[in-house]
Amino acid sequence: DQQVKQNSPSLSVQEGRISILNCDYTNSMFDYFLWYKKYPAEGPTFLISISSIKDKNEDGRFTVFLNKSAKHLSLHIVPSQPGDSAVYFCAAENSGNTPLVFGKGTRLSVIA
Amino acid sequence: DTAVSQTPKYLVTQMGNDKSIKCEQNLGHDTMYWYKQDSKKFLKIMFSYNNKELIINETVPNRFSPKSPDKAHLNLHINSLELGDSAVYFCASSRRGTPQEQFFGPGTRLTVL
Repeated sequence: DQQVKQNSPSLSVQEGRISILNCDYTNSMFDYFLWYKKYPAEGPTFLISISSIKDKNEDGRFTVFLNKSAKHLSLHIVPSQPGDSAVYFCAAENSGNTPLVFGKGTRLSVIA
Repeated sequence: DTAVSQTPKYLVTQMGNDKSIKCEQNLGHDTMYWYKQDSKKFLKIMFSYNNKELIINETVPNRFSPKSPDKAHLNLHINSLELGDSAVYFCASSRRGTPQEQFFGPGTRLTVL
């Protein structure tokens, strides 16, 4: 049972354009959501997070949007840069009560 | 300085063998984790330790045994290795509490022949 779903295994975007990565979840008890970025042969690194009491969190070129009613979140990267090419994992938790649950990841390729 | 380190990076072994993967973090975190990323790319938690005490033990065969000699180390021992154990194993650490912004190691790719 996949509680966190990233339905797009891959995404290609031109440099300078916006990248939008999507994530859906099924567990309404999740109250904290995170995005991790992973380069080949490295572990995932934390990128940005959002609490369920917010609908938007911005950090530089990265913005995460949360739509609780739709159980959907998205990560926007603008402008996209070649160095953003990586696998992006969406993760969710029920504060302190459950371990992080990860999606399968979306491979982003930013083309120069 | 490496924040979370794992050794070895690659491990190739025969079925039935016993092997260990070591993990160390120098971040001063008190919670450490082991994850398994299988061929389908799912990253799933296996164990979590807080201050050397096991707090999460997901449905994992008892051939897998974590050992935490101190809060900076969490090693993973695997007995009687099976083909299905082939995966990438990631260690991670975090400060206790929310959010669980975990710092991951580089992973250990285990191949069982």
